[in-house]
Amino acid sequence: DAGITQSPRHKVTETGTPVTLRCHQTENHRYMYWYRQDPGHGLRLIHYSYGVKDTDKGEVSDGYSVSRSKTEDFLLTLESATSSQTSVYFCAISERSNQPQHFGDGTRLSIL
Amino acid sequence: AQSVTQLGSHVSVSEGALVLLRCNYSSSVPPYLFWYVQYPNQGLQLLLKYTTGATLVKGINGFEAEFKKSETSFHLTKPSAHMSDAAEYFCAVTDSGGSNYKLTFGKGTLLTVNP
Repeated sequence: DAGITQSPRHKVTETGTPVTLRCHQTENHRYMYWYRQDPGHGLRLIHYSYGVKDTDKGEVSDGYSVSRSKTEDFLLTLESATSSQTSVYFCAISERSNQPQHFGDGTRLSIL
Repeated sequence: AQSVTQLGSHVSVSEGALVLLRCNYSSSVPPYLFWYVQYPNQGLQLLLKYTTGATLVKGINGFEAEFKKSETSFHLTKPSAHMSDAAEYFCAVTDSGGSNYKLTFGKGTLLTVNP
């Protein structure tokens, strides 16, 4: 299995609080991605990174920011969490953007 | 932008029966195509991929898929279902927006296997 660790695995927080999710990889892959998974929607891309300090928006980026200060870590931040951001968040990595992505085990985030 | 349609959000088959999960995509250029499987409370695992070359692609666990350009389809099949195949399956296609490809996923098909 690809070395991808997401933390925390579960989090419950309140509306309006900031939340940061971490994705850590040991594969030295260039590309890293954040998705959210909601029933009936499949996986939707939030943001992705194509190198250190190089990021771009995905399909559902509003309300989220990301940072990548080193190859192995990709952080997803909800500046002020809302109930609509309750979801399961997955990190993925790939060596090249047209190669298969490998997924972490997910973070289940509940915003009350 | 790409769109991916998985026909049937829930498919139920008997153990030993044929599994057929349908995927259609919208694209005017040949994309890269993938099928992923997700077991409960886990991340997605790659089943198989099509990039170029042979249009019939074999994957893990006895699954295969055929790329049909004329039908813009990439249906997933397995001749004989096993109880352990019960999971959710996602079709995904690359979107070649600029120099960085992004994946667009279908909404998923939940496969139930009955004894």
